Amino acid sequence: SQTIHQWPATLVQPVGSPLSLECTVEGTSNPNLYWYRQAAGRGLQLLFYSVGIGQISSEVPQNLSASRPQDRQFILSSKKLLLSDSGFYLCAWSAQGGGQPQHFGDGTRLSIL
Amino acid sequence: SQQGEEDPQALSIQEGENATMNCSYKTSINNLQWYRQNSGRGLVHLILIRSNEREKHSGRLRVTLDTSKKSSSLLITASRAADTASYFCATGSGAGSYQLTFGKGTKLSVIP
Repeated sequence: SQTIHQWPATLVQPVGSPLSLECTVEGTSNPNLYWYRQAAGRGLQLLFYSVGIGQISSEVPQNLSASRPQDRQFILSSKKLLLSDSGFYLCAWSAQGGGQPQHFGDGTRLSIL
Repeated sequence: SQQGEEDPQALSIQEGENATMNCSYKTSINNLQWYRQNSGRGLVHLILIRSNEREKHSGRLRVTLDTSKKSSSLLITASRAADTASYFCATGSGAGSYQLTFGKGTKLSVIP
């Protein structure tokens, strides 16, 4: 069966520090991969998605970036965090093809001080 | 921008009652999906309904889709305390439709 791992679960970082959140998927090949951010009491905002290794599409301009160095690995990064980067970050995967359900990790709660 | 808008924003019911949540959207879609999120956790996929379908069932869940009204409803029958969670609709549209646009969710509280 397929599983998705996301870490760390919580993270407290000072303003201006770098960020690296990692997500890996097991049990499937060539998945679509997604990074979302969820503000308190809000829906999910799609940040990045990837349909293959090295292929990244950005939905929202910001100081975050994403990379997919391996088929089942998706990394969210920042060189300098802002206060506004605080939130709940969720990674998800889906099978290739349109109209597929997405499967989410348990998220990372990021607090910027 | 958010495509789906759930209604109501919050719903509180007694265990055993039915819970109905609604979702409205603005543009044409290929499919609509419902997800559940327990507090502090990731989302769990519940059910997917395609634009050419009108109703779908999965256990105690019933989803309807009315593309003429651009709306969907999620019915949870015989609710349990464990159903307490936030419920989101998400729409897929456009070529490939592997991207989803999520609403803000309905927070359901089931009181034992």
